[in-house]
Amino acid sequence: GEDVEQSLFLSVREGDSSVINCTYTDSSSTYLYWYKQEPGAGLQLLTYIFSNMDMKQDQRLTVLLNKKDKHLSLRIADTQTGDSAIYFCAETRPVSGGYNKLIFGAGTRLAVHP
Amino acid sequence: DGGITQSPKYLFRKEGQNVTLSCEQNLNHDAMYWYRQDPGQGLRLIYYSQIVNDFQKGDIAEGYSVSREKKESFPLTVTSAQKNPTAFYLCASSPRLAGGFTDTQYFGPGTRLTVL
Repeated sequence: GEDVEQSLFLSVREGDSSVINCTYTDSSSTYLYWYKQEPGAGLQLLTYIFSNMDMKQDQRLTVLLNKKDKHLSLRIADTQTGDSAIYFCAETRPVSGGYNKLIFGAGTRLAVHP
Repeated sequence: DGGITQSPKYLFRKEGQNVTLSCEQNLNHDAMYWYRQDPGQGLRLIYYSQIVNDFQKGDIAEGYSVSREKKESFPLTVTSAQKNPTAFYLCASSPRLAGGFTDTQYFGPGTRLTVL
């Protein structure tokens, strides 16, 4: 299909790990991204992974990429209340003229409770 | 500070009026984009520009217009032809459009447009 798919909602307890999953569509995507959006704000680039990597770790964030299944996940260790936000995954999709369009999922709302 | 600014943060418009949303960047990026975000949905691309004096329609360009007279600026006009303009509008920029990591897009804080 055409859509990048994410589950819409995730609730975790403070201090636990959060895992946000994404299924993308284009096997030729060169980069896959995770963006974070806090209420009423723009999107903040959180992390990214190049398509020839399986895993990328950046402090509390771990990105796993399964190219065979076109599955991307973002793990947040020791989740804090400040992590409460909407998380978007995005894939690059080539279109005519050498341009790479970003295709976004609908976003996963992460709620962190004490 | 380098970044992308959008103004105003909130905008109210009467039906039938055109309105222009501002987007400015001082990142020296070549490419700029406009997206629309509706509740519970991902971002949808309205227009993009690879270079000054050039822009292309995205997926939902009807009822919108843009200009790119300066590298730093990419204003979006929401015209009266846009049937459902109430939404959150996000501007983004990337170093260039030629592929690779330079596609990475950086976003402004957004403008919330409400049609009364």
